[in-house]
Formats: sequence, C-alpha cells, structure tokens
Amino acid sequence: GIQVEQSPPDLILQEGANSTLRCNFSDSVNNLQWFHQNPWGQLINLFYIPSGTKQNGRLSATTVATERYSLLYISSSQTTDSGVYFCAVGNQGGKLIFGQGTELSVKP
Amino acid sequence: DSGVTQTPKHLITATGQRVTLRCSPRSGDLSVYWYQQSLDQGLQFLIQYYNGEERAKGNILERFSAQQFPDLHSELNLSSLELGDSALYFCASSPLSDTEAFFGQGTRLTVV
Repeated sequence: GIQVEQSPPDLILQEGANSTLRCNFSDSVNNLQWFHQNPWGQLINLFYIPSGTKQNGRLSATTVATERYSLLYISSSQTTDSGVYFCAVGNQGGKLIFGQGTELSVKP
Repeated sequence: DSGVTQTPKHLITATGQRVTLRCSPRSGDLSVYWYQQSLDQGLQFLIQYYNGEERAKGNILERFSAQQFPDLHSELNLSSLELGDSALYFCASSPLSDTEAFFGQGTRLTVV
C-alpha cells in the first residue's frame, strides 16, 4: 500500500518564526489533506490539496503531485499553532493513509 | 466545529466488555469512515460505509463491526475488549468518496 513519510518528526520554534513541514508519498494520489491535531485531540482540517497551492492566513500548502510530495508552510508561528500536524493521502475510494505526524511546539 | 458528531466523548470499560460508538455525519455526507488512533499504531483506517453499504475495510479486527443506518448515522461496535483496544476512535464523513473528509471530536476509549 501507499507509504506516507513526514518530516521532521519534531520541531521546536520560538513564537514568530516560520517553518516548513514536508510530506512524501510513495504513489499517485487523488486526495491529500493536512490536519492539525490540537492538544485536546481534535483533528482540524487545514487544507484539501491533492495538487497545487493554497493559502489560508498564515498557513499555506503546496502539493507537487508529479514528484509525490506536499509542503505545509507556517509563518509567524503562535503558541496556539502547537500540536501535531498530519498529512493524509488517498488513492482508493476515500480512505486516508496518515503519516506519523510532525509534533510542533511553539515557545513564547 | 466540523459538523461530525461523535458520542460518547469518553468511555471507560472493563476487559471482555462490549461498547458501541456512535457517529452522526455532516448533513448531506454519504460516506462515513472510522479510524483508530493509538500510541503505537498511529492513525489507522478501520472501515468505510457509503450510503448504507460497506465500501472499504482496513485494519479492523474481527471483534469489531460497524454499520450505517438509513438516516446515515453510523455505529462502531467493539466486543471482547482488550487492554490494547484503548485508543482514540474517530469518525469522519465526506460527501462522496475521494473528497475532503471532516473528522469528529473522537471517542476516547479506555479499557481497564
């Protein structure tokens, strides 16, 4: 089955810093989503981005489907950005395969 | 708020018992998915229903079963519970397959 690899596994930032999270996947996909899991366990949708570039406030994402990777950019990070960021991909009828996540800690 | 409702939020039960987790999808969504999040396995797909019919199966144990009812809500039944079944169980829904999925708040199951 499809493999999803996220990097880095952990990231510690000072408030105000920028960061880039990466997601590599091993096969072509027709679904790619980025999620933020907050400290209470909720999975919050960030982007649905099987290809192209999208922006939402301080966050943006780019997926290069032909090269099988996606990037999530966080600018001017805030303490509320802390949590785990997951990339999930799908290529068979809707089920998502999740990466192991990047745990982000933003220090004040 | 994603629009996907899961109940209960927390559940503590003993080994050997049976529990039922409930999910109400977003209005209009036909597809419902169940996922399990555990410390050692990460987030794993269990099963998908589409408009009442099973569509795909993942790493779901034989002790677990699910169904989707005519009103599109879904239930996940977990039986003969073991300590290792302790996990966060998520339900997600999407309008069709291969479209953006939205997740509920999860049910945290603790088996003691």
